[in-house]
Amino acid sequence: QVQLVQSGAEVKKPGASVKLSCKASGYTFANYYIYYLRQAPGQGLEWLGVISPGDATTTYAQKFQGRVTVTREMSTRTVYMELRSLTSEDTAMYYCARVYGSVVFDPWGQGTLVTVSS
Amino acid sequence: QSVLTQPPSASGTPGQRVTISCSGSSSNIGSNSINWYQQFPGTAPKVLIYNNDQRPSGVPDRISGSKSGTSGSLAISGLQSEDEADYYCSAWDDSLNGHVVFGGGTKLTVL
Repeated sequence: QVQLVQSGAEVKKPGASVKLSCKASGYTFANYYIYYLRQAPGQGLEWLGVISPGDATTTYAQKFQGRVTVTREMSTRTVYMELRSLTSEDTAMYYCARVYGSVVFDPWGQGTLVTVSS
Repeated sequence: QSVLTQPPSASGTPGQRVTISCSGSSSNIGSNSINWYQQFPGTAPKVLIYNNDQRPSGVPDRISGSKSGTSGSLAISGLQSEDEADYYCSAWDDSLNGHVVFGGGTKLTVL
């Protein structure tokens, strides 16, 4: 079945960087965009970046431009998201999600909790 | 502040019909499809309705979606305790080179 499995929880200090991974299985990896989104505690959803695994083209949300990089490794069917210059406001659950059709997110990864604390 | 506007909360008793609204603008809902997601505490969201009114396999037909103009709604009839969750709407927005936008979410409580 189509599945996205994300890396484990991270604890970082302010100013540090974090690199998360999202491993895909059960479908043709190159054919579907993968988004990274996040959800701060008790808050809604926002997207950070998206990658087309087939040609590695990326687009980033204006809010995170210059601070986020999304890459992919075809041999392992894995997408990576690096977020730099972390602050406490980056404490959130980070999700990856496959996209199809009219930007339908399905499925989602299980999420990676990133905690930024001194 | 979310681009799409949802009520922060909704409630109903078992068996009732509840609706959750999602309001946008001509650049998002007015020209693109709405998708709805259900999220239980501590879990990832799951698609509930896509392309305004389509249900993925496994979603019961007591759950429906609709769109009119720049607004959409999610309806749940025959409300059950297991429907208690957070619900989010999303759509593509044609402004700023195109990007996805979300509602702030609605917490549905089954009384």
